[in-house]
Amino acid sequence: QQQVKQSPQSLIVQKGGISIINCAYENTAFDYFPWYQQFPGKGPALLIAIRPDVSEKKEGRFTISFNKSAKQFSLHIMDSQPGDSATYFCAAGDSNYQLIWGAGTKLIIKP
Amino acid sequence: EAQVTQNPRYLITVTGKKLTVTCSQNMNHEYMSWYRQDPGLGLRQIYYSMNVEVTDKGDVPEGYKVSRKEKRNFPLILESPSPNQTSLYFCASSRGTGSYEQYFGPGTRLTVT
Repeated sequence: QQQVKQSPQSLIVQKGGISIINCAYENTAFDYFPWYQQFPGKGPALLIAIRPDVSEKKEGRFTISFNKSAKQFSLHIMDSQPGDSATYFCAAGDSNYQLIWGAGTKLIIKP
Repeated sequence: EAQVTQNPRYLITVTGKKLTVTCSQNMNHEYMSWYRQDPGLGLRQIYYSMNVEVTDKGDVPEGYKVSRKEKRNFPLILESPSPNQTSLYFCASSRGTGSYEQYFGPGTRLTVT
């Protein structure tokens, strides 16, 4: 079964620090790797995404690092703020435009 | 405003009492999907639809039904709910072929006693 493994399950980071969440996948045919952000009481929303022909993508304080040979990708949040406290999901897109989801990481930024 | 709406947002029901959770999108999206979210298990797909009258099972379809008679609506039906279907449910939509980005509704928290 196709899987995307996400770690850690939960993460506490001090304000101003760097938050790092990791994902690993198995299927080399995956063609799209997004991160979604979910606040309490809301549905997930696309935060940032990358294609496998690029090793890094940055949008403001959020960066995806992608390692194709290791079949891993990660989300880095620089200068983490309390407003970044949320659940983060990684996913991988297959050839049918379906997303296979990681289990999620609950991130808490302490003031 | 482009959005996915779900109703109801909260529902408490008893075992065996049929219920329907509605989902509607106003973005003319071809693809729609239902997920359930449980602690430690992330988002698990229940059913999805690539277009009108086309539906397929996801990873956890047992105990659920769906229909896609119109492009904008994708209701989730629980014919005989059981306590193990207590969960947070999300409907999502996307443009379909050529697009991965999914837009999620606000969620429906269902409790089955």
